[in-house]
Amino acid sequence: GAGVSQSPSNKVTEKGKDVELRCDPISGHTALYWYRQRLGQGLEFLIYFQGNSAPDKSGLPSDRFSAERTGESVSTLTIQRTQQEDSAVYLCASSFQFDYNSPLHFGNGTRLTVT
Amino acid sequence: AQSVTQLDSQVPVFEEAPVELRCNYSSSVSVYLFWYVQYPNQGLQLLLKYLSGSTLVESINGFEAEFNKSQTSFHLRKPSVHISDTAEYFCAVSEVQGAQKLVFGQGTRLTINP
Repeated sequence: GAGVSQSPSNKVTEKGKDVELRCDPISGHTALYWYRQRLGQGLEFLIYFQGNSAPDKSGLPSDRFSAERTGESVSTLTIQRTQQEDSAVYLCASSFQFDYNSPLHFGNGTRLTVT
Repeated sequence: AQSVTQLDSQVPVFEEAPVELRCNYSSSVSVYLFWYVQYPNQGLQLLLKYLSGSTLVESINGFEAEFNKSQTSFHLRKPSVHISDTAEYFCAVSEVQGAQKLVFGQGTRLTINP
């Protein structure tokens, strides 16, 4: 595809429900990153994938958050038992290679609202 | 750990005027520095970056930023802005190794008035 695609673009859920956010990276990009941006704050790193493995999960805020990637393509970020503080824009980014000469390409994000 | 401070949340300027968007960072280790831009209804995209070499880096659309290690700054400048530069600009840093675990500032919304 032309760019990183995220779905849904907006999600409203009730507190306590589980949600699943999807990211389709640019074809051929080996590195994939998840960030989130809460209102009035900068982007926070959550997790990254090198291929299908996630060497660093240190940015995940709690054990309610998990992510997986299959086929070196699609990734899903799952939030279990959502809380109001999970409300944010969740951004996915991919890069061709796992180095700083490969810029990150961001999707438009999923805006999650927990009521 | 690193942190980034963008001192201005909003910067309004007139078309063809110069602009400077300020960015300061703190880190106990060496860092790479980035400016990302988000145009209306678009995703974030890389504007320019400093990895090594010349401390003055430029983008293809006339922006430049200078890495100042002593002042821990990476301010973004353009001598003459256009309406099309209206966007939100994010400064970011990352440790000099490993994954692109960028630490972002809160962003500066640049509004260009005719």
